[in-house]
Amino acid sequence: QKEVEQNSGPLSVPEGAIASLNCTYSDRGSQSFFWYRQYSGKSPELIMSIYSNGDKEDGRFTAQLNKASQYVSLLIRDSQPSDSATYLCAVTSGLTGGGNKLTFGTGTQLKVEL
Amino acid sequence: GAVVSQHPSWVICKSGTSVKIECRSLDFQATTMFWYRQFPKQSLMLMATSNEGSKATYEQGVEKDKFLINHASLTLSTLTVTSAHPEDSSFYICSARGDRDFNEQFFGPGTRLTVL
Repeated sequence: QKEVEQNSGPLSVPEGAIASLNCTYSDRGSQSFFWYRQYSGKSPELIMSIYSNGDKEDGRFTAQLNKASQYVSLLIRDSQPSDSATYLCAVTSGLTGGGNKLTFGTGTQLKVEL
Repeated sequence: GAVVSQHPSWVICKSGTSVKIECRSLDFQATTMFWYRQFPKQSLMLMATSNEGSKATYEQGVEKDKFLINHASLTLSTLTVTSAHPEDSSFYICSARGDRDFNEQFFGPGTRLTVL
């Protein structure tokens, strides 16, 4: 079982719609959760971090965390063509001394169509 | 804030040569830096964790004698790929742990290595 799982996509949404990206993780002790955006040929860019159950909003982005279900999601409202990228879910180890290592999912490719 | 740079952005070298990649935190001090490798269409794989002033911790399967990591200061870590071979061709990305939120990592722009 993969430690962090994401649907590879591509997920296609029309411009202006809400894009919903999902991620599940296997380590129940995981403490910190992140969403990164990666454009083709570029390095990841941090979009959101979330540490407690519930929703966290930042502009057009909302991260949702449900530790009981081991599930984290990212909603992008009013999707724009510039949002087209691969979105990586990352989780830090729940192990003591894990050193805040990030474990990445394989990413979901999002395409926002005109 | 939290800007990380990498140099060079791309490098082409002959098989058997060594290549050094620099990672710098420009506006903060990074006690911990991480080195990742990413092959096409795949996710990032952590290679090693680098702590300032101490030996790097390598992930399982990563040859420490081949991928030499030095973290001599709070703003600079280097990765040297020794005796590079075509299978080492990849996108190498460093990240630095922030000094305000120790959980967040900020990534450099990456270095694309091509070994002929």
